[in-house]
Amino acid sequence: SYVLTQTPSVSVAPGQTARINCGGNNIGSKSVHWYQQKPGQAPVLVVYDDSARPSGIPERFSASNSGNTATLTISRVEAGDEADYYCQVWDSSSDQHVVFGGGTQLTAL
Amino acid sequence: QLHLQESGPGLVKPSETLSLTCTVSGGSITGNTYYWGCVRQPPGKGLEWIGSFSHSGSTYYNPSLKSRVSISGDTTKNQFSLKLSSVTAADTAVYYCARLSRLDSGRVWFDTWGQGTLVTVSS
Repeated sequence: SYVLTQTPSVSVAPGQTARINCGGNNIGSKSVHWYQQKPGQAPVLVVYDDSARPSGIPERFSASNSGNTATLTISRVEAGDEADYYCQVWDSSSDQHVVFGGGTQLTAL
Repeated sequence: QLHLQESGPGLVKPSETLSLTCTVSGGSITGNTYYWGCVRQPPGKGLEWIGSFSHSGSTYYNPSLKSRVSISGDTTKNQFSLKLSSVTAADTAVYYCARLSRLDSGRVWFDTWGQGTLVTVSS
């Protein structure tokens, strides 16, 4: 089945840019979605279909997808952005239709 | 605004069946644009997809749980239900209900989540 690999943790200073990667074999051919999960809360969709933002998600959240890596970029990181971030794809070529990455914990130093 | 609410026992004994009901308000589980499904998260761990279904009859399950899981909808109550049989301590997790948006066969994502409910498997 398809595997998505994420770095367990990323730390950035407030005001700086955080980049969270999601690796997968030829992931650029798939549609990637990103979720933010704060402690004790349900996940929230922050990017869908590689780079689209749901209404209410700040423009500071952007994403790209090419080759073997998809990237979520958070500009001007704020303390409130501290959370776990998960990437996800729908893999219609296997029985494991929904695949999540292992998650990346973002810390604003 | 769409709202999903999970309900069910917070404690289940080993070897028994976990039953969870997801009540949907602000939208209908009928219609072919959306899937509906369940995701779980063991304490301190990542997200694990359990399964999804559509009103048109398509059903998909995580292969690692397929022999024990069933998800089905009740259009009269605008609810869907998860049943997971023969549970063990490894099934202890927060269980989420969610709606999935579907653009085409390869573009499917979770656009709305319930708040989640902790289910503990213990005697």
